[in-house]
Amino acid sequence: RKEVEQDPGPFNVPEGATVAFNCTYSNSASQSFFWYRQDCRKEPKLLMSVYSSGNEDGRFTAQLNRASQYISLLIRDSKLSDSATYLCVVNTRSGNQFYFGTGTSLTVIP
Amino acid sequence: NAGVTQTPKFRILKIGQSMTLQCTQDMNHNYMYWYRQDPGMGLKLIYYSVGAGITDKGEVPNGYNVSRSTTEDFPLRLELAAPSQTSVYFCASSYSSVYNEQFFGPGTRLTVL
Repeated sequence: RKEVEQDPGPFNVPEGATVAFNCTYSNSASQSFFWYRQDCRKEPKLLMSVYSSGNEDGRFTAQLNRASQYISLLIRDSKLSDSATYLCVVNTRSGNQFYFGTGTSLTVIP
Repeated sequence: NAGVTQTPKFRILKIGQSMTLQCTQDMNHNYMYWYRQDPGMGLKLIYYSVGAGITDKGEVPNGYNVSRSTTEDFPLRLELAAPSQTSVYFCASSYSSVYNEQFFGPGTRLTVL
């Protein structure tokens, strides 16, 4: 079983739509969780850390469900500039490794 | 601060050749990582380092070697390049491992023919 799994999409949504991505992880001991954004042929950049209580940053909301071992990312009022691949990243306390999902592709259509 | 820098940006190798991918960070981060990303795939960890003089294998270390003689530099060595090593290579650093953001370099696109 993969450490981190994501629906690869693609998600094609109109401007202004709300879209949600989910990511599941296999190790119940995982301690930290992140969403990264990767534009085509560029390096990944941190979008949000994901906290147990959930967190919001403008149009973006991240949630963690430890019982079901998944994290989610909600994007409201989608903009053309949100078009990118969103990577789910999980780290484990037992090691110094980060595990990346394969990414979910989002295209926002005018 | 330049952040994480990588050289070269692009490289074409012939099968059996060797090369070193350079990575430097100026943020005084303890942790450094090397990943490879194949088309349509997630990043796979090759090697990582938790400080100068300390390195360890990640998920896909075969065919690669690393060293960490200084806090700033973390070069990745490819010996006897093979077509399966065609990929984009990203170097990253973080202050610590568990809760901190990783900062990535711009990547090196390597083709082995």
